[in-house]
Amino acid sequence: ILNVEQSPQSLHVQEGDSTNFTCSFPSSNFYALHWYRWETAKSPEALFVMTLNGDEKKKGRISATLNTKEGYSYLYIKGSQPEDSATYLCASSNTGNQFYFGTGTSLTVIP
Amino acid sequence: NAGVTQTPKFQVLKTGQSMTLQCAQDMNHNSMYWYRQDPGMGLRLIYYSASEGTTDKGEVPNGYNVSRLNKREFSLRLESAAPSQTSVYFCASRSLGGAYEQYFGPGTRLTVT
Repeated sequence: ILNVEQSPQSLHVQEGDSTNFTCSFPSSNFYALHWYRWETAKSPEALFVMTLNGDEKKKGRISATLNTKEGYSYLYIKGSQPEDSATYLCASSNTGNQFYFGTGTSLTVIP
Repeated sequence: NAGVTQTPKFQVLKTGQSMTLQCAQDMNHNSMYWYRQDPGMGLRLIYYSASEGTTDKGEVPNGYNVSRLNKREFSLRLESAAPSQTSVYFCASRSLGGAYEQYFGPGTRLTVT
């Protein structure tokens, strides 16, 4: 079992602010890291899949970085909008089969 | 494409009753997963099937059994439901390899009284 931790647990930001969250995972035998966006009453949807140290991925105003040597990934949201309000989950794997999820960061963007 | 479908959406069971949660995917994915989601606990893996014909235990397998019926379908069975199994259950699927994301079904909300 991998211990995947996310911080902060929850976050409230004003519309237009930029923000970031952290995902920490065991760096030994790293295989892949996934980020998911989970809106209330819906299913998690994939944002990014990262496998290489130094990976940076971007989708619109959201981006993510990966440091496999120290075991962390950052998710950034630039110019937050109310529709960005959701829980953001990360999941790590050391085998490519089993993925272990963090408990998520709940983001609320205040108009 | 329907993606990943789950039935039922909601279920209430009495302690000791049994039931099977159904999951199907139409994306030709090799791997399928069952998770449970509890407040403050995140998603925890119950069982997974890396490919047709194989199943393996995840983090919290006790009290559950699974069947990978074919490449499309992966069912989760509760033989004797307990209140501790009250949860939201998600099925997911993905292609083989760590570079591929998981696609989740809509979830089944199960209450055991």
